[in-house]
Amino acid sequence: AQKITQTQPGMFVQEKEAVTLDCTYDTSDPSYGLFWYKQPSSGEMIFLIYQGSYDQQNATEGRYSLNFQKARKSANLVISASQLGDSAMYFCAMSPMNSGYSTLTFGKGTMLLVSP
Amino acid sequence: KAGVTQTPRYLIKTRGQQVTLSCSPISGHRSVSWYQQTPGQGLQFLFEYFSETQRNKGNFPGRFSGRQFSNSRSEMNVSTLELGDSALYLCASSLAGDPNQPQHFGDGTRLSIL
Repeated sequence: AQKITQTQPGMFVQEKEAVTLDCTYDTSDPSYGLFWYKQPSSGEMIFLIYQGSYDQQNATEGRYSLNFQKARKSANLVISASQLGDSAMYFCAMSPMNSGYSTLTFGKGTMLLVSP
Repeated sequence: KAGVTQTPRYLIKTRGQQVTLSCSPISGHRSVSWYQQTPGQGLQFLFEYFSETQRNKGNFPGRFSGRQFSNSRSEMNVSTLELGDSALYLCASSLAGDPNQPQHFGDGTRLSIL
């Protein structure tokens, strides 16, 4: 079984500042993927970034980067230069490779509010 | 390229009824997963279909079932509805097995049980 823990229910950040959203995980699967999704108030889930358990380098996608520390079982999302449009709910998720990465286990989420 | 389409967007049912939700995946995607999102339990995996077969299943009662058709479109059925089934039901499709082609979600069906 997998478990995702997001300890920050809410985060505030000013526009143009960087913010780190925390995520720790627990799994007995040897191979897995870690994902971050964004859910605006409109409800759709938007994929942001992916990190494989065997990837040596931290993943980056534009303003998003994933700080992956396998020994600590953490996969924190870093958003650089926050924008007003980044205000949303952010979910960390994982899926084992043996499920085809198609069975996501989600954390409870962190609500990010970006102020001008 | 069209995204994942879920219909209907909103549904209102009463206890004891049954409901069918539909999901059309992105063209070429053969894997379709269903998730339930509630304020209390968060996002929970229901099941995944691949090539018309249920490949993975979450921890939900048998009242929740699904199927997938040859064109990869999927339906989810909930029988004997309970108040606790009120939720946003999300469908996601993917090219299964490639995490660099992650799951893409539809806008969801919001189900309310009266």
